[in-house]
Amino acid sequence: EAQVTQNPRYLITVTGKKLTVTCSQNMNHEYMSWYRQDPGLGLRQIYYSMNVEVTDKGDVPEGYKVSRKEKRNFPLILESPSPNQTSLYFCASSRGASNQPQHFGDGTRLSIL
Amino acid sequence: KQEVTQIPAALSVPEGENLVLNCSFTDSAIYNLQWFRQDPGKGLTSLLLIQSSQREQTSGRLNASLDKSSGRSTLYIAASQPGDSATYLCAVEGNRDDKIIFGKGTRLHILP
Repeated sequence: EAQVTQNPRYLITVTGKKLTVTCSQNMNHEYMSWYRQDPGLGLRQIYYSMNVEVTDKGDVPEGYKVSRKEKRNFPLILESPSPNQTSLYFCASSRGASNQPQHFGDGTRLSIL
Repeated sequence: KQEVTQIPAALSVPEGENLVLNCSFTDSAIYNLQWFRQDPGKGLTSLLLIQSSQREQTSGRLNASLDKSSGRSTLYIAASQPGDSATYLCAVEGNRDDKIIFGKGTRLHILP
């Protein structure tokens, strides 16, 4: 089954403790992206990647890092999480950079205390 | 900077009615516009993608149109059903930077 898999689905942690949210897709997609979704602000793009070893900042990259060492994986790293990073996070992928529909994961709900 | 607006923020209509959701964007330099559906507690499901060179796309009871020059798109839902209740989001992909910008969505409730 074609899918985008995020882990963990839920996480409660404390300020300053490094964490990684993994994202993996099994569709051989080139384009992958991370979003956060907050009430009243909607979905905002954090980082995206057009292909292996190519990453670019989205609208809200501060406080986040990503890497794209393999085509299927696109982890989101919070080196020193803060409470304002409490949010619902989505990973998405699509075939090619443009004009292909995005496939979304089920989301990761992060709470930073 | 691209801005995407969806009006109304929420909408309730009786079952069986046809309805239109609106999406507007400020920068016409886009590759495409995509409509998504999001159910509570779930991820997003792609409904329709319209390339910048296209005027509309159809899938079943859904029809999406795009007027790039005026920065507008509509999602038309025919013969609405209670199962159509969800939040509908539009997103544009810029052709200057490949960034994807979402609107805040329209929360749709179909009354049985």
